[in-house]
Amino acid sequence: NAGVMQNPRHLVRRRGQEARLRCSPVKGHSHVYWYRQLPEEGLKFMVYLQKENIIDESGMPKERFSAEFPKEGPSILRIQQVVRGDSAAYFCASSPLRQGPSSGANVLTFGAGSRLTVL
Amino acid sequence: AQTVTQSQPEMSVQEAETVTLSCTYDTSESNYYLFWYKQPPSRQMILVIRQEAYKQQNATENRFSVNFQKAAKSFSLKISDSQLGDTAMYFCAFMRPYTGTASKLTFGTGTRLQVTL
Repeated sequence: NAGVMQNPRHLVRRRGQEARLRCSPVKGHSHVYWYRQLPEEGLKFMVYLQKENIIDESGMPKERFSAEFPKEGPSILRIQQVVRGDSAAYFCASSPLRQGPSSGANVLTFGAGSRLTVL
Repeated sequence: AQTVTQSQPEMSVQEAETVTLSCTYDTSESNYYLFWYKQPPSRQMILVIRQEAYKQQNATENRFSVNFQKAAKSFSLKISDSQLGDTAMYFCAFMRPYTGTASKLTFGTGTRLQVTL
């Protein structure tokens, strides 16, 4: 039973190029989360998606960043016109559908991350 | 908004000894969930232990246990019989109670733990 698969593990882009990061959730998980980790910092929430819907994008920068989770295929985090400040590790996590208040905390399963370096 | 504070950027412990990592948080919620995640050099985020705020009993997982002080909003992690494989960054994280769908985590800045011979 594969966990969360992220690719590429390492991506190098020049300023102004586009970066696409992919995430395949755990089989059967319907929720996907993207987090960003800057050097020497903790993970910061970016966006939360269900299939074909963005539920919470309160942590996404307003410009250049977008995310999708189509009906078929992996979730994609897209960064247009990358700048050096976008250099970071981007983590994807997935969880199953949360059933209700008595269901307890959803435990997120994380991928190994994609490290983006912008030259 | 919730905040999570880890005041120890780095710690060191000798193999087989015990070490405690500190975490405090701020929230107005009465029920919530707390987690410790481990991030070894491979960068994989691994769940170590979790605690539900309405439970009085401190969570334990083998050599890992927590000291949860709800009134003080403190959630420390104790690692007993430390092993070289425990060397990693440790992140404390907070999750709000059920709001319909979201399971968003708020992380602290981490404590880098080095286990030495």
